[in-house]
Amino acid sequence: LAKTTQPISMDSYEGQEVNITCSHNNIATNDYITWYQQFPSQGPRFIIQGYKTKVTNEVASLFIPADRKSSTLSLPRVSLSDTAVYYCLVGDVEAGGFKTIFGAGTRLFVKA
Amino acid sequence: DAEITQSPRHKITETGRQVTLACHQTWNHNNMFWYRQDLGHGLRLIHYSYGVQDTNKGEVSDGYSVSRSNTEDLPLTLESAASSQTSVYFCASSPTGDTEAFFGQGTRLTVV
Repeated sequence: LAKTTQPISMDSYEGQEVNITCSHNNIATNDYITWYQQFPSQGPRFIIQGYKTKVTNEVASLFIPADRKSSTLSLPRVSLSDTAVYYCLVGDVEAGGFKTIFGAGTRLFVKA
Repeated sequence: DAEITQSPRHKITETGRQVTLACHQTWNHNNMFWYRQDLGHGLRLIHYSYGVQDTNKGEVSDGYSVSRSNTEDLPLTLESAASSQTSVYFCASSPTGDTEAFFGQGTRLTVV
């Protein structure tokens, strides 16, 4: 499984756009990129998934350059409730099963 | 609504005792996973299963075992609890060929 590298922590203010970049230099051809969010005392929650270019849903956008060696999770206009840990994962979704390996994640702290 | 539930939510046990943590999902997902999360760290994969009668070791499987006799359940057993196994345990499930995993609320286990 491809190894991912993310910043350990980030600070932001309410209303700002936050971009969290994940490096995955040895991503394989069939690997997808998935982001999860985890609040204290809760299990992680799926945010967004993509393979290439840009993916957008009601919560976030995911930007993936052509070489796919990195990806950026973009959270528009964050609020205090977006304070959480964000995990970037890569893995093969085409296989019969997907073994989800989590890294250390990025701890985002949103300030008023 | 379909869901994934873990029980108990909190447990205190003594060193050397056998402990079983339950995980039950009603989505009929083939894939199920067990993770542990220690304070201030990311999640580490203990065991996973891609279907009935299938079990596989993860990153930190020593001292743990699982069995998959049906689709809905993947109980995690600590054969002889040790203080190093004090942690929060999360169970998750996902459909075949999909990276979106759904997590339970976690079980906080303390070994004294």
